[in-house]
Amino acid sequence: QSALTQPASVSGSPGQSITISCTGTSSDVGGYNYVSWYQQHPGKAPKLMIYDVSKRPSGVSNRFSGSKSGNTASLTISGLQAEDEADYYCCSYAGSSTYVVFGGGTKLTVL
Amino acid sequence: EVQLVQSGAEVKKPGESLKISCKGSGYSFTSYWIGWVRQMPGKGLEWMGIIYPGDSDTRYSPSFQGQVTISADKSISTAYLQWSSLKASDTAMYYCARGGMIEPIQHWGQGTLVTVSS
Repeated sequence: QSALTQPASVSGSPGQSITISCTGTSSDVGGYNYVSWYQQHPGKAPKLMIYDVSKRPSGVSNRFSGSKSGNTASLTISGLQAEDEADYYCCSYAGSSTYVVFGGGTKLTVL
Repeated sequence: EVQLVQSGAEVKKPGESLKISCKGSGYSFTSYWIGWVRQMPGKGLEWMGIIYPGDSDTRYSPSFQGQVTISADKSISTAYLQWSSLKASDTAMYYCARGGMIEPIQHWGQGTLVTVSS
């Protein structure tokens, strides 16, 4: 069982918006503003999409946004496109004994 | 351009030892943490541990402590992940990644597939 809980799958039609949740505890997501999100296409290495809860790296579309409330972080993708179909993982700093935890991943299907 | 280039795929038998590598280039190797992430077949990402090549400070996930060893040779800008006795359950793709802990992982290696089978 993963340390952070994500829905196994979400889906949406092109142009729609979807949100993926990532629930942890006060020892990880809720305790630090070091939540990041990664996109992984089949057979590829993960790609950083969001860091520090809501910051976007250079080159990442502004259709991707992140937020956090309490122990739950969220990734929102607006204006869904076919190329957004991928697995998405949240990740959080978890303090000086566990260090880093990932979510179990969410498969996004663009219908 | 930051690059992390990992060693090639490995096929090993249970009980054998293995050391895989990750060579960094395009940045100051001693100034950034490098971590390792496991992805078992069809499964999610798991953070294994991390090393700061500048002073070899190493941290492990409790799940991987004692199971693997992370090291680095700063003279050749290379980080390593090693096993002393492989198990079939070590079969996975292993990624090295620059960053981790409070720094986001912006750069990833291409992955090394390790297959352990008798």
